[in-house]
Amino acid sequence: AQRVTQPEKLLSVFKGAPVELKCNYSYSGSPELFWYVQYSRQRLQLLLRHISRESIKGFTADLNKGETSFHLKKPFAQEEDSAMYYCALSNTGGFKTIFGAGTRLFVKA
Amino acid sequence: DTAVSQTPKYLVTQMGNDKSIKCEQNLGHDTMYWYKQDSKKFLKIMFSYNNKELIINETVPNRFSPKSPDKAHLNLHINSLELGDSAVYFCASSQTGGNTEAFFGQGTRLTVV
Repeated sequence: AQRVTQPEKLLSVFKGAPVELKCNYSYSGSPELFWYVQYSRQRLQLLLRHISRESIKGFTADLNKGETSFHLKKPFAQEEDSAMYYCALSNTGGFKTIFGAGTRLFVKA
Repeated sequence: DTAVSQTPKYLVTQMGNDKSIKCEQNLGHDTMYWYKQDSKKFLKIMFSYNNKELIINETVPNRFSPKSPDKAHLNLHINSLELGDSAVYFCASSQTGGNTEAFFGQGTRLTVV
């Protein structure tokens, strides 16, 4: 079964602190994994995808197939990072993208 | 230019009514989706259409009937609305094959009273 698990509903950190949003997945094939972000009153948008291995707004995520994880990390959180973050998995072919329950990140001044 | 647009943005209606939400994408994508975001912000896939054909129906009540007149449009019609249907509904589109990034509409906040 295809499943994405984000164990933390809320993560609160101080500005400048490191942040890690956890994501674990279950999928029998070769998934495509993404992180999406939803800022207040904005639409959901892509933050990064595992195949591009890029850093966006200081965030990185590494796919660990052994642990079936795709955790999102940033070494120094900023107040503007406060948002809802969703880990997502797309099946082979891309007909079905499912999302984790989401983690609300709150960065305190 | 808005890539994925939904109308209306807000919809307040009484229980038992029938309503529709429209979605259009101008990205040339071949796959479109409807997602439901509940009050706890959980985002659940409802339907996936590829080239106007229904691919995924995630055990959604048959009061919900999607219609895709062409690849650029995926409308959602809901019959006999219930209180539990209150949520934010998001339309999205993506392209199968290489880059399967999903582009989202701004959401439709449906409130059933």
